[in-house]
Amino acid sequence: QVQLVESGGGLVKPGGSLRLSCAASGFTFSDYYMSWIRQAPGKGLEWVSYISSSGSTIYYADSVKGRFTISRDNAKNSLYLQMNSLRAEDTAVYYCARADGQWLVQGYRYYFDYWGQGTLVTVSS
Amino acid sequence: QSVLTQPPSASGTPGQRVTISCSGSSSNIGSNTVNWYQQLPGTAPKLLIYSNNQRPSGVPDRFSGSKSGTSASLAISGLQSEDEADYYCAAWDDSLNGVGFGGGTKLTVL
Repeated sequence: QVQLVESGGGLVKPGGSLRLSCAASGFTFSDYYMSWIRQAPGKGLEWVSYISSSGSTIYYADSVKGRFTISRDNAKNSLYLQMNSLRAEDTAVYYCARADGQWLVQGYRYYFDYWGQGTLVTVSS
Repeated sequence: QSVLTQPPSASGTPGQRVTISCSGSSSNIGSNTVNWYQQLPGTAPKLLIYSNNQRPSGVPDRFSGSKSGTSASLAISGLQSEDEADYYCAAWDDSLNGVGFGGGTKLTVL
């Protein structure tokens, strides 16, 4: 069965760095788009970043652009999020999610069909 | 400020039909498909509806989705206590080159 397991979260001071990992299993990782989504405590979902199956296409939310870097290692079935210059407002549970992306007549169909359990990142002095 | 707009709360009694609205713009709902996610308390979100009105296997047919123009809605019929959760709509946004989420709707089963 599909499994996504995040790791690497923790407490970090403002301005610090953290690298999140997401270990995938139960499917052919290299066939799928992946994304990171976060949820601040008591708040809604916020999409963070997108990476295509090959890693050739990457997008970021404006709130993290220039500070976060998404990457993947298809040989290791792993997704990563390097987070630099962390701010208090980056405090959240970070989820990795498998995505299905396809251009249709009715537009771009892009949805997250499997989610990990999340890893908590706390930015505080 | 969320990209898509949802009511913050909704409620219903067991057996009732409840709808949750999701409003967007021409760059998201107006030009791409809509998805809905259910987040039960303390758990990760789960895909409920994709491509406007498609249910993944395992999702009861009590859940249905629709889209018209720049708006979408999720309907839950035969409301059950286990449906108490947060519901989020989402769609690709061509202006953002990313996914826009609604702010979430907390559904209470009275």
